[in-house]
Amino acid sequence: SYELTQPPSVSVSPGQTASISCSGDKLGDKYAFWYQQRPGQSPVLVIYQDSKRPSGIPARFSGSNSGNTATLTISGTQAMDEAEYYCQAWDNSTVVFGGGTKLTVL
Amino acid sequence: EVVLVESGGGLVQPGGSLRLSCAASGFTFSSYAMTWVRQAPGKGLEWVSAISGNGDSTYDADSLKGRFTISRDNSRNTLFLQVNSLRAEDTAVYFCAKGRYFDWFLSDNWLDPWGPGTLVTVSS
Repeated sequence: SYELTQPPSVSVSPGQTASISCSGDKLGDKYAFWYQQRPGQSPVLVIYQDSKRPSGIPARFSGSNSGNTATLTISGTQAMDEAEYYCQAWDNSTVVFGGGTKLTVL
Repeated sequence: EVVLVESGGGLVQPGGSLRLSCAASGFTFSSYAMTWVRQAPGKGLEWVSAISGNGDSTYDADSLKGRFTISRDNSRNTLFLQVNSLRAEDTAVYFCAKGRYFDWFLSDNWLDPWGPGTLVTVSS
């Protein structure tokens, strides 16, 4: 079965840039999606089709996907961005999630 | 505004069954695929099952096939998940989410938005 691997945690200082990686075999041949989940809340889509932002998602969120790695980048990170982030891809008709990355804004 | 609200969770003994519901509003329900995703306490997201807009096509996670059944009632704008032979490891918050299209299996399909979830606890 297809697997996506994320680092368990990433730390960033306020105002700095945070990068969260997601790796999978030939992930660049698929679309990557990213979801933000704040504590006690349900997930929210922040990036779709590798690099597109849904309406209402701040421009500081961006994404890329190439080779075996997709990356979520948050520029000018704010305290409100502290959350768990999950990458997602498709494997045939199955949705696959990465294990999640806890972003801490110190 | 799209609103999804799950219900039907609760405490159930091992081997028991539950029927989870997801009430949808704010969009033409029958025009979109829907899905269930679960999250065990303190753990990550696990995709469970999905269904096309008219209910003709369903898709299940291999690890759950045979115990979980997804269905929908488009006349009532409601999505269901029948969960049988429950085990302790099925304890989780179960979320429903809306797909982007009528069909499920499309490479640019997304899960958005999500409902708040309903907690299923399997314990004796």
